[in-house]
Amino acid sequence: ILNVEQSPQSLHVQEGDSTNFTCSFPSSNFYALHWYRWETAKSPEALFVMTLNGDEKKKGRISATLNTKEGYSYLYIKGSQPEDSATYLCASPERAGTALIFGKGTTLSVSS
Amino acid sequence: DTEVTQTPKHLVMGMTNKKSLKCEQHMGHRAMYWYKQKAKKPPELMFVYSYEKLSINESVPSRFSPECPNSSLLNLHLHALQPEDSALYLCASSHDRGMLETQYFGPGTRLLVL
Repeated sequence: ILNVEQSPQSLHVQEGDSTNFTCSFPSSNFYALHWYRWETAKSPEALFVMTLNGDEKKKGRISATLNTKEGYSYLYIKGSQPEDSATYLCASPERAGTALIFGKGTTLSVSS
Repeated sequence: DTEVTQTPKHLVMGMTNKKSLKCEQHMGHRAMYWYKQKAKKPPELMFVYSYEKLSINESVPSRFSPECPNSSLLNLHLHALQPEDSALYLCASSHDRGMLETQYFGPGTRLLVL
């Protein structure tokens, strides 16, 4: 089974801080990487889908990069706000045409 | 409407009960998924339906029985569950089954088996 790892498991920052966390996956047989944001008591919400090595995607203050050769993706949050507090999940399909394997997530807490 | 709804939000059941979880979407998506998520673990895929046909069953015990009556609805029938089946059950849908497809999740049903 595909092993998708995320670090750190949890993170606490102050409002205004910029932060980043990592998703690692096997670099062989890479197909795609998904990032989701999951706020407590809400539904997981899709952030990005990435496929190309060197790709960078941005949504407001959140951006993500992808390195398929070394098997990692970074998620960056610039100027964290309390509403950014959530668990951030990454996921990748094990094989073409199969469903996603999720990492355990990084839980971000932003204090005002 | 970009919402996936799930009912009930919470469910408590005994090991001899029969209950059903329901999931609904009206986005015209043709793929629907059931995931199970236990505390501090990632969501684990249980079933995938594509065009109303079961396409993936991740070796889930038969006490969980999925059903897709039409393209908008997905049910999960529960019978003779065990306490270790207590978890958050998430439903998701996507336009199609491709690996680049964004999945839209419901808020989940939190199940407690006594």
